[in-house]
Amino acid sequence: AQTVTQSQPEMSVQEAETVTLSCTYDTSESDYYLFWYKQPPSRQMILVIRQEAYKQQNATENRFSVNFQKAAKSFSLKISDSQLGDAAMYFCAYRDYNFNKFYFGSGTKLNVKP
Amino acid sequence: DTGVSQDPRHKITKRGQNVTFRCDPISEHNRLYWYRQTLGQGPEFLTYFQNEAQLEKSRLLSDRFSAERPKGSFSTLEIQRTEQGDSAMYLCASSLDNSRAEQYFGPGTRLTVT
Repeated sequence: AQTVTQSQPEMSVQEAETVTLSCTYDTSESDYYLFWYKQPPSRQMILVIRQEAYKQQNATENRFSVNFQKAAKSFSLKISDSQLGDAAMYFCAYRDYNFNKFYFGSGTKLNVKP
Repeated sequence: DTGVSQDPRHKITKRGQNVTFRCDPISEHNRLYWYRQTLGQGPEFLTYFQNEAQLEKSRLLSDRFSAERPKGSFSTLEIQRTEQGDSAMYLCASSLDNSRAEQYFGPGTRLTVT
């Protein structure tokens, strides 16, 4: 079964600085998708960024970018110019290409200090 | 349509009672998913529907749990004879039926079994 591991339960970053959240996963598939979701306190999960495994280029969405290392099965999220509104739980998620079921990591709580 | 909605947002029940939750997906989405999220963990897959057909069920979904999507629109998740271990956030998500589709999550129903 696919597993997703987030080894950092909690991280802190100073406002305007950069932080990187780590994620590793285990799969025998060659085609799949990886996601980072953000879950603010008491609010619903929203998609931050998505990466297709067949694409070598790392995905970027404004201040959010990923470092996708397929051979190492690593998928880290970099948040640049951190803002107070970035404070949330961040979940890394894996999805097989042909199936819609997601496998989530246990999450990283990001604190942003003013 | 502003997104996935879930009702109720909070439910407190006594052990042994039955509870039912409702999820209304984004209207054009034909896939609907249920997840369970316990404190400090990522969401765990429970089941999913394509239109009205329930295509997959997790082993987490014991015989006390049943889900329906009778007309391929809203879905209900019923838990019979609730136990304290059922206390969790129950998340619903929906998506279009294609391999690139992302899942859009609802705000969840927080269940507390006393």
